[in-house]
Amino acid sequence: AQSVTQPDIHITVSEGASLELRCNYSYGATPYLFWYVQSPGQGLQLLLKYFSGDTLVQGIKGFEAEFKRSQSSFNLRKPSVHWSDAAEYFCASRRPGGYQKVTFGIGTKLQVIP
Amino acid sequence: EAGVTQFPSHSVIEKGQTVTLRCDPISGHDNLYWYRRVMGKEIKFLLHFVKESKQDESGMPNNRFLAERTGGTYSTLKVQPAELEDSGVYFCASSQDRGSSYNEQFFGPGTRLTVL
Repeated sequence: AQSVTQPDIHITVSEGASLELRCNYSYGATPYLFWYVQSPGQGLQLLLKYFSGDTLVQGIKGFEAEFKRSQSSFNLRKPSVHWSDAAEYFCASRRPGGYQKVTFGIGTKLQVIP
Repeated sequence: EAGVTQFPSHSVIEKGQTVTLRCDPISGHDNLYWYRRVMGKEIKFLLHFVKESKQDESGMPNNRFLAERTGGTYSTLKVQPAELEDSGVYFCASSQDRGSSYNEQFFGPGTRLTVL
């Protein structure tokens, strides 16, 4: 069975500092991988996705993620955090092919301090 | 283009009552999904519709939950009777059917259900 682990429930960073949110997946083959963000009162918004190919994926809002097969990881990064990045971030996976069910991690709440 | 909408945004009911949640997918999206996040836990898949047919309902917790999608447009999720453990945020998502496995799911803002 698939699972997604986000080891950090809460992270606090200073505005302008770099950010890395960790994500590990468990699946026999390489799944499709996603990062979503949820701001207060909003739905889940897709930041970026990885299906295959280049292991460094660029997303919206200046985010990127790197797929590392050897570590079963898909960590999300941003070089300089803005106060508006405060939100909850979810790593997710899906089996390749037509199977639609998405498996989510528990989420990481990001607090940005001045 | 309007996104996925859900109604109500919040619902507070007493144990034993019935609640119906509604989801309006993005127009033209054949795929509709329900997910639930219980407090402190992961967002969990409940079920998947393709048009009006249930494609996968493996995540439905028990027979107190009934999902429908008459006419293949909006969907309702009824909980009857509601129990305390049903509290959580219920998300709906939709995606196009492009004949590809790369279909992106677009999520609504969720309905926060509190059962007292």
